[in-house]
Amino acid sequence: DTAVSQTPKYLVTQMGNDKSIKCEQNLGHDTMYWYKQDSKKFLKIMFSYNNKELIINETVPNRFSPKSPDKAHLNLHINSLELGDSAVYFCASRLGHYNEQFFGPGTRLTVL
Amino acid sequence: DQQVKQNSPSLSVQEGRISILNCDYTNSMFDYFLWYKKYPAEGPTFLISISSIKDKNEDGRFTVFLNKSAKHLSLHIVPSQPGDSAVYFCAASPDYKLSFGAGTTVTVRA
Repeated sequence: DTAVSQTPKYLVTQMGNDKSIKCEQNLGHDTMYWYKQDSKKFLKIMFSYNNKELIINETVPNRFSPKSPDKAHLNLHINSLELGDSAVYFCASRLGHYNEQFFGPGTRLTVL
Repeated sequence: DQQVKQNSPSLSVQEGRISILNCDYTNSMFDYFLWYKKYPAEGPTFLISISSIKDKNEDGRFTVFLNKSAKHLSLHIVPSQPGDSAVYFCAASPDYKLSFGAGTTVTVRA
């Protein structure tokens, strides 16, 4: 059983389009995250939700909008895609006061 | 501004020998440190962690050492196995928000 799953795994799209990436965790965790891994391989946090409430919002363009319909899901919607948005996006989740985060397999977004 | 640094982008080690990965940090508020392992086309998987109240944590072949005064931690893998070939990320946290290093690619030679 997949603990943290993301769809799609690959996404190729044109500049200016709007796209969404979905994330689901079946671990019963209450906190979820979105990370971006850029071409230099750095993993940088973008957003975090705890029980459907936004708790971390890093300096991310407002074209990126996270949505958490329930604590098992955290989706990422991106408007007006730009070339620089090309990256691998990882979803992660964490339980309570534990520091360990569990990551999904990633979504490779390519903007042409 | 990278607060967690892994200055060695790659490491090659013979099977059966020790792999030592290093990580430095600048933020003195960091109080929890983690190592993640990542295979290509997969997400990072948690490997081992250490709290700032300890200086060593061991789990099987993996040991993490923390030197708070030097703001340095290291991961030892003994003995190294071919399946250990992966990218290893160091991460640190003051408040559940992880800051990651750039990763070290480990190649274990047969």
